[in-house]
Amino acid sequence: NAGVTQTPKFQVLKTGQSMTLQCAQDMNHEYMSWYRQDPGMGLRLIHYSVGAGITDQGEVPNGYNVSRSTTEDFPLRLLSAAPSQTSVYFCASRLEIAGGGELFFGEGSRLTVL
Amino acid sequence: AQSVTQLDSQVPVFEEAPVELRCNYSSSVSVYLFWYVQYPNQGLQLLLKYLSGSTLVESINGFEAEFNKSQTSFHLRKPSVHISDTAEYFCAVSARNEKLTFGTGTRLTIIP
Repeated sequence: NAGVTQTPKFQVLKTGQSMTLQCAQDMNHEYMSWYRQDPGMGLRLIHYSVGAGITDQGEVPNGYNVSRSTTEDFPLRLLSAAPSQTSVYFCASRLEIAGGGELFFGEGSRLTVL
Repeated sequence: AQSVTQLDSQVPVFEEAPVELRCNYSSSVSVYLFWYVQYPNQGLQLLLKYLSGSTLVESINGFEAEFNKSQTSFHLRKPSVHISDTAEYFCAVSARNEKLTFGTGTRLTIIP
């Protein structure tokens, strides 16, 4: 049972480049989400999904796109990378849609935008 | 809207001493409360949570937290810390909807 798997673990981009952070879970969780972690700011919610075909914006969605074509996968796309998007990104999932359940986190993807 | 405040960004504590990590929240409705722990170079893991019932909740590794509705707090405590407790601790709140809001984190450093 792999849990939540994120790839890549490290990535360096130039300003203006695009890329996709991959996230997959094998626990049949309905709820999936993306957070970014920055020093002194904790974790901030970027986008989340409550099931296949359903996504919504979190606290800091600008510059990011998501899609949820299957229950297992929830990729995060950076359309035109900016230095302000340098961060550590975490994908997390839980079984229930409503809050109260445990969030399971991936190991993170460290992104540097030059 | 819900929010979480962790006043202490860093807490140094001597090994075997007690520790308290403070968390205050703001919400206009009933909430679920959580503490997550992040060990170096890892993702976050659930430490403990309060959903309802007893206001004192415990983890398997000796931490406990008490929900105080009147003070809107959910402080985390441990009577005797170990080197292995070195980590960053995040308080989080969910107003019984799908979104989980995290605090800014408290870095716990254990001094041998």
